[in-house]
Amino acid sequence: NAGVTQTPKFRILKIGQSMTLQCAQDMNHNYMYWYRQDPGMGLKLIYYSVGAGITDKGEVPNGYNVSRSTTEDFPLRLELAAPSQTSVYFCASNPYGTEIALSGNTIYFGEGSWLTVV
Amino acid sequence: GQQLNQSPQSMFIQEGEDVSMNCTSSSIFNTWLWYKQDPGEGPVLLIALYKAGELTSNGRLTAQFGITRKDSFLNISASIPSDVGIYFCAGQGPFGKLVFGKGMKLTVNP
Repeated sequence: NAGVTQTPKFRILKIGQSMTLQCAQDMNHNYMYWYRQDPGMGLKLIYYSVGAGITDKGEVPNGYNVSRSTTEDFPLRLELAAPSQTSVYFCASNPYGTEIALSGNTIYFGEGSWLTVV
Repeated sequence: GQQLNQSPQSMFIQEGEDVSMNCTSSSIFNTWLWYKQDPGEGPVLLIALYKAGELTSNGRLTAQFGITRKDSFLNISASIPSDVGIYFCAGQGPFGKLVFGKGMKLTVNP
C-alpha cells in the first residue's frame, strides 16, 4: 500500500502565484484532512472532508480551497500565495471519524509538503 | 480557535533519565493522542487514549487520559538518544479532527 501520498515535496512560489498541493490515498478512507505546521508550532487544520463531494472549513481556511471529487483525492489549492502561507503542509486520512472507537489509531499522515512563498 | 496547552516547551536531559510532559485543554476530548515528530518528517503516533482515567503503556512510554477528559500526560522512562525529537499531544474531536499542542522539544545528552 502506498498510504497517503503528497506532491510536491518542496515548492517555492512567488507572491501572487497559485498552486495545488495534491493528496491521494489508496485505502478507501472516507475522512481526509489538510493541516499546516508553522515553525515551532503544532499542526492546525485547514480543511477536511467526510466523503466525496463533502468538504468543510477547519481552523485556518483563509487563502485556501479544496475539492473532493473522488474518495481517493483531496487537493488543496492556494490562490494568490502570500508569505504567511509559507509552511509545511500535511495531508491525512482516516477510515472513521470519532464515531468509532480506536479511530485515533487509524489516522495516516502523508510525508509533508514544504512550501515557501517569496 | 481551540488550543491545547502543552508543557514544558523543551527539555534537556541526560541519557537514562525519565521525562514527563503534559497537556491541558479548556474543551473535553473523547480521544487523546501523543505523537513524535523527527526533523523533516510527519508526526508518528505513539499512544492513543480512549477512556477517561485510562493509563496506557507502549514500551518505555506511559500516558494517561485525565478523569476530566481535559488533560493528559506522557512519561518516557530511561531515555535514549533516539528519543530526541518533538512530542505533540492532540485531542480528537468530531469527524476525527485533531487539535494539536505546540509541542515539546526533547534533547537527550548521551
